Amino acid sequence: KNQVEQSPQSLIILEGKNCTLQCNYTVSPFSNLRWYKQDTGRGPVSLTIMTFSENTKSNGRYTATLDADTKQSSLHITASQLSDSASYICVVSGAGGGNKLTFGTGTQLKVEL
Amino acid sequence: DTEVTQTPKHLVMGMTNKKSLKCEQHMGHRAMYWYKQKAKKPPELMFVYSYEKLSINESVPSRFSPECPNSSLLNLHLHALQPEDSALYLCASSQVEGNSYEQYFGPGTRLTVT
Repeated sequence: KNQVEQSPQSLIILEGKNCTLQCNYTVSPFSNLRWYKQDTGRGPVSLTIMTFSENTKSNGRYTATLDADTKQSSLHITASQLSDSASYICVVSGAGGGNKLTFGTGTQLKVEL
Repeated sequence: DTEVTQTPKHLVMGMTNKKSLKCEQHMGHRAMYWYKQKAKKPPELMFVYSYEKLSINESVPSRFSPECPNSSLLNLHLHALQPEDSALYLCASSQVEGNSYEQYFGPGTRLTVT
C-alpha cells in the first residue's frame, strides 16, 4: 500500500530559527514528490516539486531535498517567520496510470515570537 | 494568472437542502479535481475531470454530483447531505490529467451540514 509518513506531527519554533520537516514514502513506482504549505481553512499552495533525478530544490527560504534511494525527503525552512505557521504536506505521485496523489498527514508548524 | 477560485467561501446547509459549489480557473488547464478535507486530515480525492469528461469517481456517494460545463468551470452539486459531510471542499486544476503535472488548489469552500 502506498503511504507517506511525515514527522514530526507538530513543531513549535521561535521566529528566526531554522527547522527541518521529514517525509518518508513507500509509493512505487515513483514519479515526483511535492511539498505544499496549507494555511488553516485554505487550499494547499505548492512550494516545490521534485522528480527522481532531482535531489534538492529551493524556493526562497524553503529548501527541499529528495533521496529516491531511501525514499526520504526533507523540507528545510530558514530564518522562520510568523507567516510560516501552517501545515506542511508532503505529497507523492506514483508513475503509471491514474492521477492519484498520496498525501501525508502533514506537519503542523507554529512560529512564535 | 495561476489562480483557482471557489465560491462560496462558507456554506451552511440543512440535510434537505440543495446547493452547489463552484470552481473556476483561467489557466487553460484541461484537468480539474474535487477533494474533500476533514480537519487535521489530508485531502481525499473525490472526482477528476479531463477535457470536461468525468475521468475518476472515487466511489463518492450519489448525493455529490459533479458537473463540468466547460473547460474553465467545475461545479459540485449537493443534495441530501449528512452532517458527516461537513468538511473543506477543495478544487484543483492541472494542465492535463497525469501524475507529473502540478495541481493548483483553490482556497476551498468550508461546508457545514446541520
